[in-house]
Amino acid sequence: AQSVTQLDSHVSVSEGTPVLLRCNYSSSYSPSLFWYVQHPNKGLQLLLKYTSAATLVKGINGFEAEFKKSETSFHLTKPSAHMSDAAEYFCVVTPVGGYQKVTFGIGTKLQVIP
Amino acid sequence: DAGVIQSPRHEVTEMGQEVTLRCKPISGHDYLFWYRQTMMRGLELLIYFNNNVPIDDSGMPEDRFSAKMPNASFSTLKIQPSEPRDSAVYFCASSGGSMNTEAFFGQGTRLTVV
Repeated sequence: AQSVTQLDSHVSVSEGTPVLLRCNYSSSYSPSLFWYVQHPNKGLQLLLKYTSAATLVKGINGFEAEFKKSETSFHLTKPSAHMSDAAEYFCVVTPVGGYQKVTFGIGTKLQVIP
Repeated sequence: DAGVIQSPRHEVTEMGQEVTLRCKPISGHDYLFWYRQTMMRGLELLIYFNNNVPIDDSGMPEDRFSAKMPNASFSTLKIQPSEPRDSAVYFCASSGGSMNTEAFFGQGTRLTVV
């Protein structure tokens, strides 16, 4: 069995301040982990992915995430928020080689205040 | 490549009518996924295909839903008869290569059943 928990449904930050979006997972298998971003009325775009290589993963638009097996976490961070980062972010877990068991988190809406 | 193309972008239909959603995956991708997104349930994987063959349809909510992939460049998701609770955004996604390759999403079809 596997699950993913996004700990905050809404996060609000000021422009230029750090972003932290939290994700915890559970999986009976070695997981692959992804973060997707969805801007209003748009499809989902991949930000970054972890697939059992380096534990610190860098993605697009300055985002990065660190896989911490001991904490079963895959939190998404960015040093300085930009207005264009306002969107909804989804944490996704699948077992390595097992896309049929893909599980999406409920999503975190990021608001960036000018 | 134009990415994953879905049509229509918006669909409003009356309860009891048949609805057909269409998807053109990225050329060369051998996996195709159908997702449904609602406020209550978030993103749910409905069904996925590999090389045009349905692999896992356990996410399809009931017999009113059916999906086909007659060739590598086209898939349909059909709801017959439609009900108001089917109102959601339906996403198609495709991926290529190994199972760990990220999925590329279409813009989605917003379905409203009245």
